[in-house]
Amino acid sequence: ETGVTQTPRHLVMGMTNKKSLKCEQHLGHNAMYWYKQSAKKPLELMFVYNFKEQTENNSVPSRFSPECPNSSHLFLHLHTLQPEDSALYLCASSQDGTSSGANVLTFGAGSRLTVL
Amino acid sequence: GQNIDQPTEMTATEGAIVQINCTYQTSGFNGLFWYQQHAGEAPTFLSYNVLDGLEEKGRFSSFLSRSKGYSYLLLKELQMKDSASYLCAVMDSNYQLIWGAGTKLIIKP
Repeated sequence: ETGVTQTPRHLVMGMTNKKSLKCEQHLGHNAMYWYKQSAKKPLELMFVYNFKEQTENNSVPSRFSPECPNSSHLFLHLHTLQPEDSALYLCASSQDGTSSGANVLTFGAGSRLTVL
Repeated sequence: GQNIDQPTEMTATEGAIVQINCTYQTSGFNGLFWYQQHAGEAPTFLSYNVLDGLEEKGRFSSFLSRSKGYSYLLLKELQMKDSASYLCAVMDSNYQLIWGAGTKLIIKP
């Protein structure tokens, strides 16, 4: 496979469930990102990992827990979510997370999460 | 605060030309990106502008005016497959990406 792959594509969970989203990239990139995309709202950056180290955590509630075991894999662990957390969760990667104006992101197709 | 404005939705006719505007107020500027996102799919990179002027890539062109805090994406010879959302994003002085809410473009036959 090439590009950025996210699984599952769709997930429905109750507020007391624990689930995980998975992201995998085969591009040799060193930075990986989690974004939240809600209808008619700008993309919200949640977490950034650069060379497996978390470099950004944009005040995300602790019910979202990221994990980056290596440069190719990124997880988002979900626990006791709220209905307002229902959204599309996008994973992205880039060559690295350093300061570069040409740091182009390659996105996955997203995991559509519904919290009941 | 930082802000990116773009129209929520636009409609155009197949074969025509459409211009999608993006205005921004950010803390510094390190480049502006346009991404295309088809429904249910990943956003894909279209263009990057850091200097003023027009960048052309086939049917798509992107323009930037830093003094006006303004960019546009120009799509020529529209095709049905151009129906998508177009996302504008600016990289600020801290190299953080500030995103607009996206413009949904509907192409009619």
